[in-house]
Amino acid sequence: DAKTTQPPSMDCAEGRAANLPCNHSTISGNEYVYWYRQIHSQGPQYIIHGLKNNETNEMASLIITEDRKSSTLILPHATLRDTAVYYCIVRVGRSGYALNFGKGTSLLVTP
Amino acid sequence: NAGVTQTPKFQVLKTGQSMTLQCAQDMNHNSMYWYRQDPGMGLRLIYYSASEGTTDKGEVPNGYNVSRLNKREFSLRLESAAPSQTSVYFCASSAPLGTQGGYGYTFGSGTRLTVV
Repeated sequence: DAKTTQPPSMDCAEGRAANLPCNHSTISGNEYVYWYRQIHSQGPQYIIHGLKNNETNEMASLIITEDRKSSTLILPHATLRDTAVYYCIVRVGRSGYALNFGKGTSLLVTP
Repeated sequence: NAGVTQTPKFQVLKTGQSMTLQCAQDMNHNSMYWYRQDPGMGLRLIYYSASEGTTDKGEVPNGYNVSRLNKREFSLRLESAAPSQTSVYFCASSAPLGTQGGYGYTFGSGTRLTVV
C-alpha cells in the first residue's frame, strides 16, 4: 500500500476554510484516496474519496494533484464540530482490503 | 438503518477472564473488520473477514480469535484477557460503491474495554 504523510496538527478559525494536506508519492494507479475523520474517540466517519478527479460532496472537497502524489481535503467553512483527527488513507478498491490508519492530522477549530 | 452495531459499549474484565465482543451489520456488506485503538494512537487491524466463511489475521492478532457467524455478524473473542488488551475496539464493514468506484467503509461506535 502507498504510505501517506500528514502534518500531526493544524489550527483553523471558525468560519474559515480548513485545508488539510496529504502526501502519497508512491500511490499506484488503482489506489483510491480516502478521507475519514474521528471525533473524540467515536467510530471513524467517512468524508470523501477519489481516484483521479477532484471530488465534492456536502461535507468537503477533495483536490488531487495531476500526478496523484498529493491531495488536499478542504472543509469550506469550518465549525467547532469539525474539530477531529483527520485520516488520509490510500487503498485499492477490492473486497476484504482493510483501511490502514496512520496517526492522521489533529484539526483544532477555534472560535 | 442501524449500520454497524457493536455490543457491549463498555466492559470491565479481570485478568484471565474471557469475553466476546459482538458486531452486526445490516447493510449486506461482504467484508468485515475488527480494529483496536489505544490512547493517542491510530486504529490497528486485528482480524478481518473478506467474505462469509473466511477470516484472516491483521496487524495485531495475538490474544484474539474471531468468528464470522454469517454475513451479518462478526465476533471477536478474548480467551484470557490481559491488561495490554485494554483498548477501544471498533468493528467495520465494507462494500463496493458502485458507479463511484472504490469501497465504502462503515464503522461502529466502539466497545471500550478495560482489563484490570
